[in-house]
Amino acid sequence: GAGVSQTPSNKVTEKGKYVELRCDPISGHTALYWYRQSLGQGPEFLIYFQGTGAADDSGLPNDRFFAVRPEGSVSTLKIQRTERGDSAVYLCASSLGSGVSDTQYFGPGTRLTVL
Amino acid sequence: GIQVEQSPPDLILQEGANSTLRCNFSDSVNNLQWFHQNPWGQLINLFYIPSGTKQNGRLSATTVATERYSLLYISSSQTTDSGVYFCAVPIISSGSARQLTFGSGTQLTVLP
Repeated sequence: GAGVSQTPSNKVTEKGKYVELRCDPISGHTALYWYRQSLGQGPEFLIYFQGTGAADDSGLPNDRFFAVRPEGSVSTLKIQRTERGDSAVYLCASSLGSGVSDTQYFGPGTRLTVL
Repeated sequence: GIQVEQSPPDLILQEGANSTLRCNFSDSVNNLQWFHQNPWGQLINLFYIPSGTKQNGRLSATTVATERYSLLYISSSQTTDSGVYFCAVPIISSGSARQLTFGSGTQLTVLP
């Protein structure tokens, strides 16, 4: 596609529920990143994929968060037993490679609200 | 980890004015990106600028890597320039990961 797409654009859920957020990267981009942005702050890194494998998941806050990228393209971020503190905008980015000069391009984000 | 600080946190301008936004970082970097987050939340790439100066229309950026700062210049500002401006630098963790560390941003408001 022309850019990174994310669905849904908004998600409202109740505390304790399970949610899935989807990211469709730019075609041909091998690197994919998930970030989380809380109100008034810059995005914070969650997890990075190179191809199908999670190369670095050090930013995931706890074991309720999990992400997959089974075919090396689309990725899904999964959050179990959601808490109100999980409310944020979840951003996905992709880059052609993972070299130091590879520019990351961001999707529009999914705004998650946990009631 | 690397620290990224941006100043000023807020900036209000009259349309047509010029401005300079600053980004300081605490360690050597091989890459630096400037983004504009529009009022709808979309992060738009402005510059990839590890060093030197680049210009794109009314915007230009300069990074002095040896002194660990970057500047974003906006000339003849327009109301559509409003939003939050972020700088971000990559950190190298396991393998070749290039996740970005963002500053806290500068909230720019351009008044008509």
